[in-house]
Amino acid sequence: EVQLVESGGGLVQPGGSLRLSCAASGFTFSSYDMHWVRQATGKGLEWVSAIGTAGDTYYPGSVKGRFTISRENAKNSLYLQMNSLRAGDTAVYYCAREAVTGGIDYWGQGTLVTVSS
Amino acid sequence: QPVLTQPPSASASLGASVTLTCTLSSGYSNYKVDWYQQRPGKGPRFVMRVGTGGIVGSKGDGIPDRFSVLGSGLNRYLTIKNIQEEDESDYHCGADHGSGSNFVCVVFGGGTKLTVL
Repeated sequence: EVQLVESGGGLVQPGGSLRLSCAASGFTFSSYDMHWVRQATGKGLEWVSAIGTAGDTYYPGSVKGRFTISRENAKNSLYLQMNSLRAGDTAVYYCAREAVTGGIDYWGQGTLVTVSS
Repeated sequence: QPVLTQPPSASASLGASVTLTCTLSSGYSNYKVDWYQQRPGKGPRFVMRVGTGGIVGSKGDGIPDRFSVLGSGLNRYLTIKNIQEEDESDYHCGADHGSGSNFVCVVFGGGTKLTVL
């Protein structure tokens, strides 16, 4: 059974940093591209970053230069380093797996990040 | 990049059928779209992928036969027959923009909140 379990969320002040982790199990982690997707309360889904199996990374303009996605295949883990956090980054952050044929096919339960003074 | 448009709400009576629509922006009629179900307080769950030829690949884990998809032009449809109380959820559509070394981003619609009457 594929499982994705996020951790590391919490309350942080504007301008602060936070590192999210995602523990993957039930599949060969190193063979899959992975994503982070966020959702502000009452809002839709927003793609935050992606990392390929070769370590290539992708970001939307809203987080580029502030967020860094990384992976550690030996630990079946995905990470999101978030710096210079803003109130607008407040959301539940989901770890997600890209299917081999494209599209996201599995999601975690999410971890809440709150940016507030 | 493509824009996905969904009506914010829909409703249907218990036992009835409902069709949800996700509309791609002009010029992206060849794009496949993924449908996700999100129950209150939970992470999204992959339902199935749809192109102009209908379902692409397999349904997500545990998705009942009551769920089906169609694609036509810029529209991607998710139909739920014999609606049950457990179907009351937010339904999101998403699409990869680019793939492999040409990957650019993932885009999502705003989501449709389905109410079961």
